[in-house]
Amino acid sequence: AQSVAQPEDQVNVAEGNPLTVKCTYSVSGNPYLFWYVQYPNRGLQFLLKYITGDNLVKGSYGFEAEFNKSQTSFHLKKPSALVSDSALYFCAVRDMSAGGTSYGKLTFGQGTILTVHP
Amino acid sequence: KAGVTQTPRYLIKTRGQQVTLSCSPISGHRSVSWYQQTPGQGLQFLFEYFSETQRNKGNFPGRFSGRQFSNSRSEMNVSTLELGDSALYLCASSLVVGGYEQYFGPGTRLTVT
Repeated sequence: AQSVAQPEDQVNVAEGNPLTVKCTYSVSGNPYLFWYVQYPNRGLQFLLKYITGDNLVKGSYGFEAEFNKSQTSFHLKKPSALVSDSALYFCAVRDMSAGGTSYGKLTFGQGTILTVHP
Repeated sequence: KAGVTQTPRYLIKTRGQQVTLSCSPISGHRSVSWYQQTPGQGLQFLFEYFSETQRNKGNFPGRFSGRQFSNSRSEMNVSTLELGDSALYLCASSLVVGGYEQYFGPGTRLTVT
């Protein structure tokens, strides 16, 4: 079975400082990894994905994420946080190993509330 | 392109009733997935449809069902509603099943009283 862990329920950072939202995953095969953001009373918005290739992935709104296979992590980062980045962030994984019972199924972490203080 | 649309946006039902939620994917997208979001359980996968066929199913009771039409629009149905079914139900579409990112609708807020 596949799973995603976001070890921090909340992350607080001052505006202008770098931010990191952590994510670790577990799949039996090759992972497809995603980050989404959710603003209050809204659906989820896609930020970025890792399928294959470079371990550093760049996405929307200046966010990036680093895939680390040995540590099974996919942490979300931004060099300089904005107050408008305050939202709920979800990491998600798809197990794309053919024949697996979880094939193609998207599993989300519990979410991390990011608060950026002025 | 228009985004994913979900109707209705808000719904109030009583226990024992049934409800049908609708989702229209982004034009050209053939895969539709449904999720339940609650404060306690987070985002949980319900099912995924592609070309009118259910491709994946989460761990929900049989009271939760869905279907997809030839135009890729999808509906999900919940029968014999329980208080615990109160949640935000999110629909997401993608081009195909697989690595492509999913685009989410605004959700339907279901309240069961």
